Amino acid sequence: KNEVEQSPQNLTAQEGEFITINCSYSVGISALHWLQQHPGGGIVSLFMLSSGKKKHGRLIATINIQEKHSSLHITASHPRDSAVYICAVDNTDKLIFGTGTRLQVFP
Amino acid sequence: ETGVTQTPRHLVMGMTNKKSLKCEQHLGHNAMYWYKQSAKKPLELMFVYNFKEQTENNSVPSRFSPECPNSSHLFLHLHTLQPEDSALYLCASSQGDTDSDGYTFGSGTRLTVV
Repeated sequence: KNEVEQSPQNLTAQEGEFITINCSYSVGISALHWLQQHPGGGIVSLFMLSSGKKKHGRLIATINIQEKHSSLHITASHPRDSAVYICAVDNTDKLIFGTGTRLQVFP
Repeated sequence: ETGVTQTPRHLVMGMTNKKSLKCEQHLGHNAMYWYKQSAKKPLELMFVYNFKEQTENNSVPSRFSPECPNSSHLFLHLHTLQPEDSALYLCASSQGDTDSDGYTFGSGTRLTVV
């Protein structure tokens, strides 16, 4: 079993839909990261959080430390949101990555 | 551009070749990392450099040899690779402490070993 599990693995949505991607982890962490990887391979850091909730534009990330769970929400999804979303946790100064959630948003 | 630049973007090499991947950042970060991303697998940490000193070598075969001449540049020297080494190699940097804003990744080098 991976130390960082994401669900779903694949997700398709219609433009405008509200999207939720989940991440559960089994190790102690100092922070959790949400990353976005586009088809070309480059990775963009979306959020780093250690408690509560952060919002940036249409993206919202939440974390529940007691339950070892985080969610990434996308409101009013758009085709340009299509990408792989990766959850990663900071564990003893090392990042441990989930396998990613592939999101496709259709017009 | 994220502030971390990797070259080349694509590389095809034979098993007997020697090549190098380059990573450069001018974000003032103190830590730099090499990650490997194989198909359908999570990113795997290969090497960590903190203030130019290697602090992590994640059981990587010796055919991968990192070099960090200064805190802005990181190289990954490749020799006698195997086809299973074909992957996306990502460089990242961070401030190297828990108060940092997180990690900045490069666009990666897609390596194909033939």
